[in-house]
Amino acid sequence: AQSVAQPEDQVNVAEGNPLTVKCTYSVSGNPYLFWYVQYPNRGLQFLLKYITGDNLVKGSYGFEAEFNKSQTSFHLKKPSALVSDSALYFCAVRDAYSGAGSYQLTFGKGTKLSVIP
Amino acid sequence: DTGVSQDPRHKITKRGQNVTFRCDPISEHNRLYWYRQTLGQGPEFLTYFQNEAQLEKSRLLSDRFSAERPKGSFSTLEIQRTEQGDSAMYLCASSLAGWDRGQETQYFGPGTRLLVL
Repeated sequence: AQSVAQPEDQVNVAEGNPLTVKCTYSVSGNPYLFWYVQYPNRGLQFLLKYITGDNLVKGSYGFEAEFNKSQTSFHLKKPSALVSDSALYFCAVRDAYSGAGSYQLTFGKGTKLSVIP
Repeated sequence: DTGVSQDPRHKITKRGQNVTFRCDPISEHNRLYWYRQTLGQGPEFLTYFQNEAQLEKSRLLSDRFSAERPKGSFSTLEIQRTEQGDSAMYLCASSLAGWDRGQETQYFGPGTRLLVL
């Protein structure tokens, strides 16, 4: 079974400061990892993904994420937060091994990011 | 390239009524997924289609739920005899599966918010 934990329900950061949203995962095999953002009353927007290769993945709107296999983590980061980054962030995982259930994404509960002006 | 669209965006119904939601995926995307998101939770997988074939169903998908994708394009999700516990956001996603199975990105629609009174 695969699972995702987002240990922080809410993260507050001042505008211009760096931000980190934490994610840890559990899968049987190798992980495919994703970050999505959700604005109020909207669907999920894709930010970035890790499949293989470089552990530092760059995505949309200046976001990046670092894959750490030994710590089973995939934390989302941004060097300088904007007020417009305030939203709900979801980490998701898929097991890279094929078989039944391999294409569904398993999501964490989400982390609400508030960027304070 | 238009994104995933869902209709209706909001639905209020009385307990015991049937409801049907529609999802139009990104054109030429061969995989289509349905997820359910309740308040304070991440999306939970319900079912997915490869072209017109429904390949997997979650145990969350009770006998009252049925999904179709008759021509491999749009999909419908029907809930019969709705219950108050069915109140949630129903999200549709689509992806283009290729040789690198499992690596493709799922793109989400805006969702249909269901309220069962």
